[in-house]
Amino acid sequence: DAGVTQSPTHLIKTRGQQVTLRCSPKSGHDTVSWYQQALGQGPQFIFQYYEEEERQRGNFPDRFSGHQFPNYSSELNVNALLLGDSALYLCASSLGDRGGYTFGSGTRLTVV
Amino acid sequence: AQSVAQPEDQVNVAEGNPLTVKCTYSVSGNPYLFWYVQYPNRGLQFLLKYITGDNLVKGSYGFEAEFNKSQTSFHLKKPSALVSDSALYFCAVRVGYSSASKIIFGSGTRLSIRP
Repeated sequence: DAGVTQSPTHLIKTRGQQVTLRCSPKSGHDTVSWYQQALGQGPQFIFQYYEEEERQRGNFPDRFSGHQFPNYSSELNVNALLLGDSALYLCASSLGDRGGYTFGSGTRLTVV
Repeated sequence: AQSVAQPEDQVNVAEGNPLTVKCTYSVSGNPYLFWYVQYPNRGLQFLLKYITGDNLVKGSYGFEAEFNKSQTSFHLKKPSALVSDSALYFCAVRVGYSSASKIIFGSGTRLSIRP
């Protein structure tokens, strides 16, 4: 049973560029959440997708956007990258209100 | 505001000794509480959760946590620490309901087990 899959695992981008991160949820899960984890900090909630809509959003600027596809997979897009966007980006999937969240291994984004 | 606090940045324990990693929470209503562990350059691994029922919750790798409503705490414990337990531990609480729920994490506690 495949867990949450994220791609790519590592990424290096230049300031001002745009990036797209991808996430495939655990089989049977329909909700995808994205988190940003800066070095030495706890994960911070970016947003959540359910039924292809953004249901909740954390305190992140509009440069951060996302999408959920009919197969429940999701993308996180970040425009106009800043050095401060360098972090581990984690995707978590869940089944509605039941059970816990399953996390992927993350995408390490470095902005230079 | 709903939040989770981990008062210790680092906990150092000798192998074979019991360990405790502290967590307190502030939420409205009944809390759904979690502990996750993170190894270097890896994602988060689920250890255990409390939703309702027995205040002592048993989880993976011999870990357990005690829910204390009066003290609003959910401390992680293990009777005998292993060197392989060395990692970053996060306490978390789920807020919201149904498809509008999300998890809020504490700042993390680095657990270091010395041989």
